[in-house]
Amino acid sequence: KNEVEQSPQNLTAQEGEFITINCSYSVGISALHWLQQHPGGGIVSLFMLSSGKKKHGRLIATINIQEKHSSLHITASHPRDSAVYICAVLYGGSQGNLIFGKGTKLSVKP
Amino acid sequence: DAGVIQSPRHEVTEMGQEVTLRCKPISGHNSLFWYRQTMMRGLELLIYFNNNVPIDDSGMPEDRFSAKMPNASFSTLKIQPSEPRDSAVYFCASSFSGFDGQPQHFGDGTRLSIL
Repeated sequence: KNEVEQSPQNLTAQEGEFITINCSYSVGISALHWLQQHPGGGIVSLFMLSSGKKKHGRLIATINIQEKHSSLHITASHPRDSAVYICAVLYGGSQGNLIFGKGTKLSVKP
Repeated sequence: DAGVIQSPRHEVTEMGQEVTLRCKPISGHNSLFWYRQTMMRGLELLIYFNNNVPIDDSGMPEDRFSAKMPNASFSTLKIQPSEPRDSAVYFCASSFSGFDGQPQHFGDGTRLSIL
């Protein structure tokens, strides 16, 4: 059974700080997905990656397959980045299972 | 460009009633996903379709739940009979190609309350 652990569970930062959110999983996966859920409930897909690193604006996602670990980084954080960030792993191929982490709640203070 | 459209936005009904949730994916997307989110269990994948065909329904909780995709522009998730433990936010998402690296676009969700 694949377990997905996110850390920290809650994170408060000052505007401008560099943020790191971590996701670890226990078995081999085919892909990892980072989602952002806004306070109003809407969900946005940020990244899907299976190796290396992806960057979009101030967001960077990395994955280390050997260590079964992924990180989501936010540079120059802003209050509008306040949201819950959710990691999900896909294992068993494209017809396999998608398991979600419990999320990291980020609050960025002005 | 219209995003993924879900209806209704909110539904409150009594247990035992049939509930139908609707989803219109983004035009051109060939994969559609139904998710459920609760405080206790977080987000869960219920079922996903590729080219209107159900690929993985292992997340569907039980026989009371059924999902259909009669054409590329419409899908339904039905609960019959509904129970209070089905109360959750149900999200629909679509993408170009399943889980093959393409981002998923989520609808605003349907908040379902079963009394």
